Amino acid sequence: DTEVTQTPKHLVMGMTNKKSLKCEQHMGHRAMYWYKQKAKKPPELMFVYSYEKLSINESVPSRFSPECPNSSLLNLHLHALQPEDSALYLCASSLLALSTDTQYFGPGTRLTVL
Amino acid sequence: SQQGEEDPQALSIQEGENATMNCSYKTSINNLQWYRQNSGRGLVHLILIRSNEREKHSGRLRVTLDTSKKSSSLLITASRAADTASYFCVMNSGGSNYKLTFGKGTLLTVNP
Repeated sequence: DTEVTQTPKHLVMGMTNKKSLKCEQHMGHRAMYWYKQKAKKPPELMFVYSYEKLSINESVPSRFSPECPNSSLLNLHLHALQPEDSALYLCASSLLALSTDTQYFGPGTRLTVL
Repeated sequence: SQQGEEDPQALSIQEGENATMNCSYKTSINNLQWYRQNSGRGLVHLILIRSNEREKHSGRLRVTLDTSKKSSSLLITASRAADTASYFCVMNSGGSNYKLTFGKGTLLTVNP
């Protein structure tokens, strides 16, 4: 199984809402990532988890709160977002957080903030 | 910054033709990868080439790497309509093993 799943596929939320994005993999990978991708742009790294510990936060605003409850699951909690946060949010995983490891991406969650 | 530049930004060809995309980068790399993205959805890993390799093949894909020119190319032979997608070159960013730095991408359209 080389699949990374993400739910929901689409999400529309208001600026006062609290919502969560979910990502799951059952490949035994110990590194998981969140990326943000705006239209016609490449993905931008947000967070890296290695062995369920947050290892990298790319200066992401605190209205985005990641969580890694176990080695298979990665969440992104959203609160008080802005319209400019509307984007495709991609989750990825790799065996380890090493440059030689292929990252496997999920299909993404398309987020719209009204 | 290390962000790669793909050339061309957009490419439109007929089915059966070959497609060549180029990528240039600025600083030394450990490896370079190519990913494909269909219609703004998830990315699919295509191929990885290490800094000590010059050419690599995978099915209809051929990747070259010239570290002296800091450039790479992706050739797709005998293209199909299903190859229509955005293609990104992705560099291992210096100083951090985990971090992938994406180029701006080439949008390939294969017309049936």
